[in-house]
Amino acid sequence: DAKTTQPPSMDCAEGRAANLPCNHSTISGNEYVYWYRQIHSQGPQYIIHGLKNNETNEMASLIITEDRKSSTLILPHATLRDTAVYYCIQSRNPAAQKLVFGQGTRLTINP
Amino acid sequence: NAGVTQTPKFQVLKTGQSMTLQCAQDMNHEYMSWYRQDPGMGLRLIHYSVGAGITDQGEVPNGYNVSRSTTEDFPLRLLSAAPSQTSVYFCASRPGTGMFYSNQPQHFGDGTRLSIL
Repeated sequence: DAKTTQPPSMDCAEGRAANLPCNHSTISGNEYVYWYRQIHSQGPQYIIHGLKNNETNEMASLIITEDRKSSTLILPHATLRDTAVYYCIQSRNPAAQKLVFGQGTRLTINP
Repeated sequence: NAGVTQTPKFQVLKTGQSMTLQCAQDMNHEYMSWYRQDPGMGLRLIHYSVGAGITDQGEVPNGYNVSRSTTEDFPLRLLSAAPSQTSVYFCASRPGTGMFYSNQPQHFGDGTRLSIL
């Protein structure tokens, strides 16, 4: 299975930028990197995705290295509501979109 | 717009009982899937469907059956519940499959919390 590697936990101060790293050294040329988060026990929420260019939306920015073996999710001004488990996923099979979830990074935003 | 709706939200079963977890989406999405999440772990794919009448197995299909008679509904059946099936179950959907849809994210329901005694 195509698995990514993330730190199990991180802390960030409220109002600061939260930078969440992810290694995906086995990613192939047509696979995307997706980020989802899960707040408490809710269903996972889509954040952002990218192929090789950096991406930005209203929630976050995604920085992908030139060799595509790693990426960083950036929450520019973290709030307490951003406390969640963040999952970095490389799409194992783009055609079927079977997402393979690892254990993610538990991000805690501290006041 | 309701999105992905799962029912029930909570359920307790006895070992050996059968049950159907319901999942419905109102977005006309072709692709639907079921995941389970055990404590402290990520989601694992149980079954998925790429359209009405078509289903396939995921990572952990044993003990579960699915069918897809309509685009909107994708029920998950436990024929004989076992304590190992105690988990939180999530249903998800996305517009379609194939490379044209490969950059479309999945939409998840809020889950069904199932306990098997």
